Amino acid sequence: GQQVMQIPQYQHVQEGEDFTTYCNSSTTLSNIQWYKQRPGGHPVFLIQLVKSGEVKKQKRLTFQFGEAKKNSSLHITATQTTDVGTYFCAGPSNAGGTSYGKLTFGQGTILTVHP
Amino acid sequence: GAVVSQHPSWVICKSGTSVKIECRSLDFQATTMFWYRQFPKQSLMLMATSNEGSKATYEQGVEKDKFLINHASLTLSTLTVTSAHPEDSSFYICSARRVAGTGDTQYFGPGTRLTVL
Repeated sequence: GQQVMQIPQYQHVQEGEDFTTYCNSSTTLSNIQWYKQRPGGHPVFLIQLVKSGEVKKQKRLTFQFGEAKKNSSLHITATQTTDVGTYFCAGPSNAGGTSYGKLTFGQGTILTVHP
Repeated sequence: GAVVSQHPSWVICKSGTSVKIECRSLDFQATTMFWYRQFPKQSLMLMATSNEGSKATYEQGVEKDKFLINHASLTLSTLTVTSAHPEDSSFYICSARRVAGTGDTQYFGPGTRLTVL
């Protein structure tokens, strides 16, 4: 079945350093979505990428969708302590043909930022 | 916009009792909602897809008679954990699907932490 792999599983950085998490799907995706989950919280939608090669920015966050629409990355420039949390990528599940919006989540990258 | 509430936020119950969790989309209608389970430091595990006006679709390995789902309206889905046991203790999160001009995304509720004694 479809798999969405995300690396690294953990990342510790000093405040001010950059951070990148990578997401790879076993199948071509119609879109990819990114979520952030703060410790003790719930996933919060960050962004959706649809086009091949698309790059979107949200302040210090840069999201990229690969040309083959099978991989994606999230890069944070100059991390801050408020960036702490788990970042998940997710792609539409293609199980059974009709997904009705089902998503397959990556394992997540747990980001720790040391002040 | 796109607010999803979940109630209760936490619950402690005795083994053998049933617990009902509500998921509401507050500012949009959701014909499809999803129920997830999450263990500490792990990803979200989809349990079932809740469809308004029809039966829920359960993922492989999820007991439908244990985890009862009802999607009675376009803004409310409920998950009932029947005859709960300690191994059912977990963080349960719902999400509501929203299809709009900006795309097809899921908005998550704040989650319910269930502890079964």
